Amino acid sequence: AQSVTQLDSHVSVSEGTPVLLRCNYSSSYSPSLFWYVQHPNKGLQLLLKYTSAATLVKGINGFEAEFKKSETSFHLTKPSAHMSDAAEYFCVVSRDNYGQNFVFGPGTRLSVLP
Amino acid sequence: DADVTQTPRNRITKTGKRIMLECSQTKGHDRMYWYRQDPGLGLRLIYYSFDVKDINKGEISDGYSVSRQAQAKFSLSLESAIPNQTALYFCATSDPDRVLDGELFFGEGSRLTVL
Repeated sequence: AQSVTQLDSHVSVSEGTPVLLRCNYSSSYSPSLFWYVQHPNKGLQLLLKYTSAATLVKGINGFEAEFKKSETSFHLTKPSAHMSDAAEYFCVVSRDNYGQNFVFGPGTRLSVLP
Repeated sequence: DADVTQTPRNRITKTGKRIMLECSQTKGHDRMYWYRQDPGLGLRLIYYSFDVKDINKGEISDGYSVSRQAQAKFSLSLESAIPNQTALYFCATSDPDRVLDGELFFGEGSRLTVL
């Protein structure tokens, strides 16, 4: 069985400050891990993915995430927040890369203050 | 134009009514999915289809049915809507030739309210 915990339902940062969105997972397999972003009134878009290659993964728009097996974590970071980063972010775990096996976390809403 | 198009984008209906949500895609992908999003629960899979003749139940298929009319079209039906089916529904596609990418392509969602 697999599960995802996103430790914060809402994170608020000031523009230009670092962003940290936390994700912990549980999986009986070596998982694939993803971060998706959902901007208001839009569908979800893939930010980045970990599929057992490098543990530090770089994604679009300056985001990156580090896979830490010992901590079962896959936290999403960005050095400097931009107003356009305000959105909902979903951490996803899968035992493979097949869409029907994705398990979505509950989401973290990121607010960016001017 | 969007690669994955959902209609309607918003719908308000009454308990007991039949509702159909439609999804069409121009990405040429064989795999299509219907998800439901509820606040604090993330997305949950309702049904998925690998081609026109292959339809599979997801985690929460009770109360829903689907139809894959063509490679590009995948419809979700609520035969008799109930209030706890009020949610945001997403259609998504994926490319089986790029399965290692693990990427889903989403429509913009259909917000359904059942009174």
